[in-house]
Parts: sequence; C-alpha cells; structure tokens
Amino acid sequence: GESVGLHLPTLSVQEGDNSIINCAYSNSASDYFIWYKQESGKGPQFIIDIRSNMDKRQGQRVTVLLNKTVKHLSLQIAATQPGDSAVYFCAENGGYGGSQGNLIFGKGTKLSVKP
Amino acid sequence: KAGVTQTPRYLIKTRGQQVTLSCSPISGHRSVSWYQQTPGQGLQFLFEYFSETQRNKGNFPGRFSGRQFSNSRSEMNVSTLELGDSALYLCASSLGLAGGVYNEQFFGPGTRLTVL
Repeated sequence: GESVGLHLPTLSVQEGDNSIINCAYSNSASDYFIWYKQESGKGPQFIIDIRSNMDKRQGQRVTVLLNKTVKHLSLQIAATQPGDSAVYFCAENGGYGGSQGNLIFGKGTKLSVKP
Repeated sequence: KAGVTQTPRYLIKTRGQQVTLSCSPISGHRSVSWYQQTPGQGLQFLFEYFSETQRNKGNFPGRFSGRQFSNSRSEMNVSTLELGDSALYLCASSLGLAGGVYNEQFFGPGTRLTVL
C-alpha cells in the first residue's frame, strides 16, 4: 500500500484496549472539527465530527472530546480492533463559516493494533 | 450510491511537463475540494470549487489550477512540474451548502503523481 506519512507519531495498542489519539489545532476561530481515518491506499474516511459549541460527542465505539481553552481534540476508540489500524487525522475548518471545503489537517497519528 | 472517483490512479511525469487530474463527485454534490498529501507536509488544501466557481484557495503557487464543470466534475492542472510536486492528490466532494450547515466531505482514493 501507499505510505501516507514517514514521520508520524505512532500509537501501538493491544486488541481490546481503549485508544486515545490527541491533536492540537491551530486556529482559535475554527468552529467545526472532524476526525478522519486513512487506510493504506485509500482516501481519508470520516469518523466523527464536533462543533465548537460542544465539548463531547459520541459515536459507535468512538468519542471525540474538544477543549477550546487549550485548542485540543482527542479521539477515543473503545475496544480497539485490528481493523482500526490506520492513520488518524484531525481536521478543522479554520473558521470559514459555512464553507467547509478548506479543511486544515493535523499531521496524523498512526494507530497499530496488536492482536 | 457511487463514491468519489479519481482518474488516473497513478501517473508518472517528468520535470517541466504538465498534468491534468480528474475527479467525479458523488451524485448531487456540488462542492469539490482538492488536497495534496505528502509525507513531509501532510494533507494540504489546494482549492475548492462550488457551482463552477472557485470558492476557496490554499497557499499554492499559480502552477496549480483547477476548474469545475456544470456536472460538478472537477479537474486540477499542474504546469511546469517540479520534483516536489510528487504527492497523492485527493479530491473530496460534499453538498457544500453554506449558511452554517456543515456537510461531510467524502474523499476519493487519490491520484498518485510521481515526478521524475
């Protein structure tokens, strides 16, 4: 598959454990944040999003936490599975209002799940 | 419902040449955004088109250009290719509705461009 990043921080977890991936965002005016998952050879895939008027949002096995005070996002994955192995990116909309086509992406974290 | 498709998937060019990449959005989506992904710089926004008009532009030189057709399909062009243009070029489509409505972006698989 294609390498999406040669200098990514890596998180290695055991199957069944919970994973926490962190991200610092850059623009205090950003009001929309998204987590994406990218598997080798594929484009990023939407996982979960959150607006700036929330500090927590839950999905299926995933939770996103937003701390606007320190401009920090985290993604929690419960009961991590081998299929969760991928590179995870946080993205922010940069505060451009309704236009969401210009996302600012973080550098990414590679999650490796050991069976 | 078909996803975002990009053609070609792989491309090899030499320095100085130009290249055109194509993106077909999900049916009904009017916004197409382009991103460049490299190991060093990560994912960087190039530009966004909505209803055949460029709505946003990232911080890339004028050698990078794009356009959108009336059927929402989009092309991006890179002229006078440089070695540093080697990257995975991703396009994403969304409904693109403004006014505080946040619409999910769906990404294609990308076009891997190698410049020799």
